[in-house]
Amino acid sequence: GAGVSQTPSNKVTEKGKYVELRCDPISGHTALYWYRQSLGQGPEFLIYFQGTGAADDSGLPNDRFFAVRPEGSVSTLKIQRTERGDSAMYLCASSLASADTQYFGPGTRLTVL
Amino acid sequence: SQKIEQNSEALNIQEGKTATLTCNYTNYSPAYLQWYRQDPGRGPVFLLLIRENEKEKRKERLKVTFDTTLKQSLFHITASQPADSATYLCALDVGFQKLVFGTGTRLLVSP
Repeated sequence: GAGVSQTPSNKVTEKGKYVELRCDPISGHTALYWYRQSLGQGPEFLIYFQGTGAADDSGLPNDRFFAVRPEGSVSTLKIQRTERGDSAMYLCASSLASADTQYFGPGTRLTVL
Repeated sequence: SQKIEQNSEALNIQEGKTATLTCNYTNYSPAYLQWYRQDPGRGPVFLLLIRENEKEKRKERLKVTFDTTLKQSLFHITASQPADSATYLCALDVGFQKLVFGTGTRLLVSP
């Protein structure tokens, strides 16, 4: 079956611009996660959705970052006034509600010039 | 402070040998621990999950151990192949579906 998909695969933007990153989870997975990964580091938790609501957004670095999942399926990570330090790989993962295993997408490589 | 440590240096081994990767942690009490494989430019791929009450878990050529007293997990790949070359990440459950990842160890298997 289809795995987690993320679009775009690469995004280059200029400092100060707004970007949206999209995640399509595995069908039927109610839990969705966003992570950020810098070069040479492991993924760093940003936010977790259970259904439509953000169950834990403690990893969002500041109020420039926001994520939504209005219908409990597709999620969008939104970054306002991008900074060069936001450049990283943004990973999305999904899981069944009561399961522990998270299935990751291929990621979106964000570069802020 | 809470830490997860994996060897930052790459592990180089010869094809056919057993690769052993280490994950140490401090100030966590995870209910389970997971290992993932990550290839360059790709998302992590789940390999194995081991729970706090399990000492060892196997899947084909993979074996994971979990010692909650030592706060350590070992990840073994037996009969290693060049295709096993990748970065391997350990991840700890810290409650409420949240995972904390180590920095990963790069494995290079030479023919």
